Amino acid sequence: QQPVQSPQAVILREGEDAVINCSSSKALYSVHWYRQKHGEAPVFLMILLKGGEQKGHEKISASFNEKKQQSSLYLTASQLSYSGTYFCGTSISNYQLIWGAGTKLIIKP
Amino acid sequence: GAGVSQTPSNKVTEKGKYVELRCDPISGHTALYWYRQSLGQGPEFLIYFQGTGAADDSGLPNDRFFAVRPEGSVSTLKIQRTERGDSAVYLCASSLGGQGTDTQYFGPGTRLTVL
Repeated sequence: QQPVQSPQAVILREGEDAVINCSSSKALYSVHWYRQKHGEAPVFLMILLKGGEQKGHEKISASFNEKKQQSSLYLTASQLSYSGTYFCGTSISNYQLIWGAGTKLIIKP
Repeated sequence: GAGVSQTPSNKVTEKGKYVELRCDPISGHTALYWYRQSLGQGPEFLIYFQGTGAADDSGLPNDRFFAVRPEGSVSTLKIQRTERGDSAVYLCASSLGGQGTDTQYFGPGTRLTVL
C-alpha cells in the first residue's frame, strides 16, 4: 500500500536537473510532495489533484498520471538549498496520506 | 501566523515509563494527525482527529498508545510502558479541513529515545 519512490538517492551538481518518481498500486485522489531536511519537519512543496489541478511551488513542477497511479517531481537547475529527502504522500481515502520511504537528494557545488 | 508546535523537542526516558507528547496545531485547523518516523523512512500514520474526536486510530500500534484532543485544538499523544522499539521521531501535522486534498502542515517533531 505504501507508494514506491525512485530513485532512493541521487547526487547532483548544482544546476543539474533531477526527476523523482512515486508510484502506487492503488487508485489515488491526490499526490502530495514534501521536502525534509535533516532534523527538521517536512515542508510542503506541491499537491497534485485528480483531474489535473496542481497547487504548490513556483520553481518545482510535477506531473500526475492518474491512470498509471504515478507522479513525478521535476527539479530543474537545482540549487544547494534543494538538498534533502523528498517524500510523496498518496491519498487513497478522503483524508489519509500514505507516505513513501523518501528519495535523498544531495546537491554538490 | 504560528505554525504547528510540538513539545518537548527531545524526550529521553527509560523502558517501562510513561510519556506524553504535545502538539499545538495551527489555529483554526480542524484536522490533526500524528505520525511516527523512523530513521530513513517516511512518516507512518498513527491517528487522525477531526475536531475533538479520533476519526481514525487504525495506525496506533497497540493499546499502549493513546491520543486525545479534548477541546479540538491541542492534542496529546500518550505512550504507556514505553519500549525501546518506540524510539522514533513523532510528528504532528494539521490541516484546515481534513480532506485528502488539503495541505498538511507539520511540526518539528519530538524525538523520543527509550533507553
